[in-house]
Amino acid sequence: KAGVTQTPRYLIKTRGQQVTLSCSPISGHRSVSWYQQTPGQGLQFLFEYFSETQRNKGNFPGRFSGRQFSNSRSEMNVSTLELGDSALYLCATGFGPSSGNTIYFGEGSWLTVV
Amino acid sequence: GENVEQHPSTLSVQEGDSAVIKCTYSDSASNYFPWYKQELGKRPQLIIDIRSNVGEKKDQRIAVTLNKTAKHFSLHITETQPEDSAVYFCAASENRDDKIIFGKGTRLHILP
Repeated sequence: KAGVTQTPRYLIKTRGQQVTLSCSPISGHRSVSWYQQTPGQGLQFLFEYFSETQRNKGNFPGRFSGRQFSNSRSEMNVSTLELGDSALYLCATGFGPSSGNTIYFGEGSWLTVV
Repeated sequence: GENVEQHPSTLSVQEGDSAVIKCTYSDSASNYFPWYKQELGKRPQLIIDIRSNVGEKKDQRIAVTLNKTAKHFSLHITETQPEDSAVYFCAASENRDDKIIFGKGTRLHILP
């Protein structure tokens, strides 16, 4: 059974550009959560999607957005990139909404903004 | 919303000794508490979880305890081994809110 797949794994962008990251869940999983990981800040919740609907959103500016497709794959987009957006972006998927259910992480997408 | 505090941020223990990581949460409605281990350069992986109807859960050298009254839960690792060196994250979630909130992590060093 394939795990959670995130693409691209590594990317470098320039300030002001935008980026799109992709997450393909484990087969049968319908929820996708996105987290930003930076040193010292741990895993900060961005948003969660279930059945193509955003179920919850963290405290990030509107430059961070996402969506989920009918096959449960999800994308997140960051527009007008800032240096502080440099981080590891992790997605995690589960059968149902994450509340009370186990979620499984992908390897993450390393974003460097220069 | 939910807030999870985790202590200590760094912990060094001698190989063979025990390690304890503590977390507190703010939302009394939280009822699911997973722990994840992240080795260097790898994805976080679930190592154990506990639900609010249980006070303690054990899996070989790993155990988690939950005190709902005090709103804190702890991870205990006994007979530590070099492969236990990693960053450990605690988390909490409750049914009304579709999100799992994580602590900031504890970097565990196992000393030879």
